[in-house]
Parts: sequence; C-alpha cells; structure tokens
Amino acid sequence: EVQLVQSGAEVKKPGESLKISCKGSGYSFTSYWIGWVRQMPGKGLEWMGIIYPGDSDTRYSPSFQGQVTISADKSISTAYLQWSSLKASDTAMYYCARHKTMDPYDYWGQGTLVTVSS
Amino acid sequence: DIQMTQSPSAMSASVGDRVTITCRASQGISNYLAWFQQKPGKVPKRLIYAASSLQSGVPSRFSGSGSGTEFTLTISSLQPEDFATYYCLQHNSYPFTFGPGTKVDIK
Repeated sequence: EVQLVQSGAEVKKPGESLKISCKGSGYSFTSYWIGWVRQMPGKGLEWMGIIYPGDSDTRYSPSFQGQVTISADKSISTAYLQWSSLKASDTAMYYCARHKTMDPYDYWGQGTLVTVSS
Repeated sequence: DIQMTQSPSAMSASVGDRVTITCRASQGISNYLAWFQQKPGKVPKRLIYAASSLQSGVPSRFSGSGSGTEFTLTISSLQPEDFATYYCLQHNSYPFTFGPGTKVDIK
C-alpha cells in the first residue's frame, strides 16, 4: 500500500528554523517526484516545489525560491521541507504528494500544520 | 509562468443539479491537467488526471474534458458528499500551478 507519512505538527517562534518530513513507503521512492503544497488558513492550494529523489533534481515556484529548501534522503525514502528563519506568514498546512508526469499527485501525505507565533 | 483561473469561484447548487466548473490556462498545457476535491479539514483527493481520466474509485458522475487552455469538470448529478472545494492543477511546465479553487455549497 502506497503511503506518505508526514511529521507532526510544529509550533515555532519567528526566526527559528524548521525541517518537516515526508516518508514514502509501498512504492519505489526514487521513481516518483515528491511535491510540496502549502495551504494557508482558509486559503487555496499553492504549489511550492518538487524533488526527484532519484537524482535530487529540484524545482521551485518563484514565490518560494530562496524561502524554503526541499531535499530528500533516498536511503530512508524521506523528503524534507525546511526553513532557516520562519515568519508568522509561514503559518499553514503543508502537504507532500507523489507525482509522475502521467500520474500526477495521486497520493498525498496527511499534512503537517506549522504554526509560527511569538 | 502559467496562470490558472477557475470559474465560478463559488456556487450554490442543489442535490441532483448538474455542475460544471471551468479551468483556463494562460497558455497551452496539452492535457496535463488534474482535478482535486478538498473537504474542510481533509487532504485533497484526486478526481481526474490527464484532463479526462477518472481516478479509480471516483464515482462516474464526475467527468473531465478539455485540452490546450480550457478544461471543465462536470458533476452530472450533485450528491450531498460532493459539497467541497475543487481545484485544478497544471503540470505541463514548471512551476506547476493550482487554480484558485471553486467552492460548491448547498443552495
């Protein structure tokens, strides 16, 4: 069974760093892209970026380039989304999802709620 | 970057209604379009991929059509469990982009 399991909810202060994770199982982790999607409270879905764990090829939305870092460790089938200095405006639910060109965003993680507040 | 628009942004409909949601791309995206349903507090769920392919397990009242720049999601007979927000996603070129969403609620 394909599963993407994300790390738990986080409460952080502005300026702190954070790395959240997305662990894939039940499929060949290196054969699919993993994308990250942000959903701010009461808002729509925003495409942040995507990584191919097979060779770490990474693409970002211009809106998120330089604001976050996407990485992956294929040895443990896990993708990451990290911030070096959080802002209150980073408060959101973050989803990871599996992607292939002819099979886009078919499986999603359960989401990680990040709350940034002083 | 490719911009995605959806219309309407919100709609009220009754059980049994035929519902059509339109997604437009700012440039051609072939059929690299997917549709998702999201209910409050839940994870988005894929309904349609490749513009018109029905996701396994999704009721046949859902259908998708279109190619190039204009796409539609149709619900042939709206059911109570279909009240949700619907998003399109283009994955033809980076950065991928979601449409702003269409909220379907009860009339």
